[in-house]
Amino acid sequence: GAGVSQSPRYKVAKRGQDVALRCDPISGHVSLFWYQQALGQGPEFLTYFQNEAQLDKSGLPSDRFFAERPEGSVSTLKIQRTQQEDSAVYLCASSRPGVQPQHFGDGTRLSIL
Amino acid sequence: GENVEQHPSTLSVQEGDSAVIKCTYSDSASNYFPWYKQELGKGPQLIIDIRSNVGEKKDQRIAVTLNKTAKHFSLHITETQPEDSAVYFCAASYMNRDDKIIFGKGTRLHILP
Repeated sequence: GAGVSQSPRYKVAKRGQDVALRCDPISGHVSLFWYQQALGQGPEFLTYFQNEAQLDKSGLPSDRFFAERPEGSVSTLKIQRTQQEDSAVYLCASSRPGVQPQHFGDGTRLSIL
Repeated sequence: GENVEQHPSTLSVQEGDSAVIKCTYSDSASNYFPWYKQELGKGPQLIIDIRSNVGEKKDQRIAVTLNKTAKHFSLHITETQPEDSAVYFCAASYMNRDDKIIFGKGTRLHILP
């Protein structure tokens, strides 16, 4: 079936604006992960959902970052009052519960001017 | 927490030759080691994975080895082709449970004509 879908693919925002990034996981995958990938680096974990429950948000860098998955399917990562250091690729991954591997989307490239 | 070190950061090999990428991990409880390939503008794509109850796994031109005692694992690509040019990430996580993947910093592989 279809893979993990993320939108938008590119987002440019001015410093201080709020942004919202969307992730559509693979159908039937109840586990959903968000990662942040800085230029030239490996992805770093942000947060994890099982269905609608956010079970781990230890990787969120500040309280400006907020994620939700209200119906246990689509997830949104929101960043408030964006700063230049938020510029990165934001990746979403999904998997069946307790089963590896995680399958990644192509990410949203966020640029903060 | 887990830390994954990867080297080299850049690797250039002649087309047809072999490429080897090496990684170490710190958490002896990690028992799942995926390798991801990332092309420009795309998300990480799983190319092979190995679980800690196995020392070696091969899939066509790609092989991975794992030394649990030394906490080392390696990716071997034989008969390299131009389409192998990409960034490769090693990673560590856990089987049979939802958990974050800890990535290395990546190896940029160039296949020279």
